[in-house]
Amino acid sequence: AQSVTQPDIHITVSEGASLELRCNYSYGATPYLFWYVQSPGQGLQLLLKYFSGDTLVQGIKGFEAEFKRSQSSFNLRKPSVHWSDAAEYFCAVDFTGGFKTIFGAGTRLFVKA
Amino acid sequence: EAQVTQNPRYLITVTGKKLTVTCSQNMNHEYMSWYRQDPGLGLRQIYYSMNVEVTDKGDVPEGYKVSRKEKRNFPLILESPSPNQTSLYFCASKPGQSFLGETQYFGPGTRLLVL
Repeated sequence: AQSVTQPDIHITVSEGASLELRCNYSYGATPYLFWYVQSPGQGLQLLLKYFSGDTLVQGIKGFEAEFKRSQSSFNLRKPSVHWSDAAEYFCAVDFTGGFKTIFGAGTRLFVKA
Repeated sequence: EAQVTQNPRYLITVTGKKLTVTCSQNMNHEYMSWYRQDPGLGLRQIYYSMNVEVTDKGDVPEGYKVSRKEKRNFPLILESPSPNQTSLYFCASKPGQSFLGETQYFGPGTRLLVL
């Protein structure tokens, strides 16, 4: 069965430090993968997505993610975190021809000064 | 401005009292979907619609109904709400040209409390 796992419920990072959020998926076919961010009290916004080509994907706000098929992972990274990055981050995968999307449980990022 | 709107944003109701949460998009998208967000569970898909008059169940459709009479609107109906439907609800849309790999655009959410 298809699934998306985000192992970390929450992560705390100091401002200026690097960040990596983990995402593992289970899907038999070529995955179409997404990272969305949810700021407090708001809807979700796309950070980046991957479905083919270069396995290192650049997104908005300085984020990038690397697709590793051998590890079934799509981890999100940022070299230097800003206080405004504090939010909840969701990994997701499209399946059933794109009609359905599965989201991970989310990772809440706290940024300390 | 391209957007997905939901109304109401906050709603308190009692068990069994029918309610409707409206969703509208102004991007001429073919595809629309409803999700619920619960702590520790992420977003779970309730229903989706690939086009006008075409809808299908997501992962958690029990207790919900939807309809798609017009392209821009996709209301979520709770015929007899129960406390376990207390949640944060999101409507989303995407173009529907290829469906797979398309970005979804989310509304601001509707927080529902069922007493």
